[in-house]
Amino acid sequence: DTGVSQNPRHKITKRGQNVTFRCDPISEHNRLYWYRQTLGQGPEFLTYFQNEAQLEKSRLLSDRFSAERPKGSFSTLEIQRTEQGDSAMYLCASSLGLRQSAHEQYFGPGTRLTVT
Amino acid sequence: QKEVEQNSGPLSVPEGAIASLNCTYSDRGSQSFFWYRQYSGKSPELIMFIYSNGDKEDGRFTAQLNKASQYVSLLIRDSQPSDSATYLCAVTPMEYGNKLVFGAGTILRVKS
Repeated sequence: DTGVSQNPRHKITKRGQNVTFRCDPISEHNRLYWYRQTLGQGPEFLTYFQNEAQLEKSRLLSDRFSAERPKGSFSTLEIQRTEQGDSAMYLCASSLGLRQSAHEQYFGPGTRLTVT
Repeated sequence: QKEVEQNSGPLSVPEGAIASLNCTYSDRGSQSFFWYRQYSGKSPELIMFIYSNGDKEDGRFTAQLNKASQYVSLLIRDSQPSDSATYLCAVTPMEYGNKLVFGAGTILRVKS
């Protein structure tokens, strides 16, 4: 499978615990994005990497959220001290950074987080 | 005002009919426009993108863009029950901007 992969697919955690999600983009894609989606809404942008550099972060991304892409390949998204409001589907997408095609983003299957 | 607006639906069409899905956006600087299909419990799947005014056809899908009216639409010809899904409109809010801004989606139901 050469698409975007995400692990785990589901995560149930208790309020206050830390969680980490992993995303592996399409191999030749140098751009990687994280989004969050709640029921009945479209995905909301969280952050964006070009290679290993984190170039943009949403105001939605509180200090409890951190993302890394250490070697410009896979990325991790960590949420510290989870809250019930963090329950959502966390989506990773990647794109090939060539002019207009840079915006053709392909999504992984997502990680569904439930905070109890 | 939301940046990208879609009618939430559901839009119900009979099998074989044309489904017309609409989207308006607020940022006149938007350059790139996308339609994603999302089945229940799954992630969004890119089905169409359009960058220039006019129509773009791909199989049963046609995307239409009118930048003057800040309007983009998706037509699905010969609708099939398998087309039943939520259709998300997304735009990049500025030239070579780095994020997609999504509407909340329109639910399409194709009845056999």
